[in-house]
Amino acid sequence: NAGVTQTPKFQVLKTGQSMTLQCAQDMNHEYMSWYRQDPGMGLRLIHYSVGAGITDQGEVPNGYNVSRSTTEDFPLRLLSAAPSQTSVYFCASTSLAGANVLTFGAGSRLTVL
Amino acid sequence: GQQVMQIPQYQHVQEGEDFTTYCNSSTTLSNIQWYKQRPGGHPVFLIQLVKSGEVKKQKRLTFQFGEAKKNSSLHITATQTTDVGTYFCASAGLNYGGSQGNLIFGKGTKLSVKP
Repeated sequence: NAGVTQTPKFQVLKTGQSMTLQCAQDMNHEYMSWYRQDPGMGLRLIHYSVGAGITDQGEVPNGYNVSRSTTEDFPLRLLSAAPSQTSVYFCASTSLAGANVLTFGAGSRLTVL
Repeated sequence: GQQVMQIPQYQHVQEGEDFTTYCNSSTTLSNIQWYKQRPGGHPVFLIQLVKSGEVKKQKRLTFQFGEAKKNSSLHITATQTTDVGTYFCASAGLNYGGSQGNLIFGKGTKLSVKP
C-alpha cells in the first residue's frame, strides 16, 4: 500500500503560469482533500471531495480548481499562479465510514516567483 | 466560523522536561484529533478523543478531552529529542458542507528539545 502519493515534491513557477499538483490514494477512500500550510497559519482546507464527481470548496478556495473523475485521483490546479500561493500543499484522504482519521501525502512545496 | 485555538505557538524545553499543548474552542466539539508533524514531514495521526472527560495514554503522551468538550490537551512526560516537531489538534468542521472529513486544525505548537 502506497497510501497517499503526491507529485511533484517541489516546484518553482513564475507568476501567471499554470500547473497541476497530483494526488492519488490506493485505500479506496471516499473523501479526499487539499490543505495548504503556511508558517504560523496551520493547515487550511482548500477543496474537498466526498466521492467521484463531487467536489466542494473549503476555507481558502480562490485561485484553485479541483476535479474528481475517479475515486483514486484528486488533482489540484492552479490556473494562474500568484506569489501568495507559495506554500506547502498536502493532500489527505479518509474513509467516511470510519473515524475520519486523515492520511496525508508527503506534501508538495510550491514557490511562485 | 468555527475555530480551534492552540497554545503555545512555540515551546522550547530541555530534554527530560515535560511539555503540554492546549487546544480550545468556543463551541462544543464532536471529537478532537491530535497529529504530529516532524520537521520537513507531513502530519501523522496520533489519537482521537470522543467522550467528555476522556483521557488516553500512549507511552509518555497523555491526551485529555474536557468535560464540556470545548478543550483538549496533550502532555508529554520527560521529553526526548524524538518528540521534536509540531503538534496539531483538529476537529471535524461544520463550516464546509458538514462533511466529517473536513477537519479544522489549530495552528499547532512547535516543540524543540535541547539535548
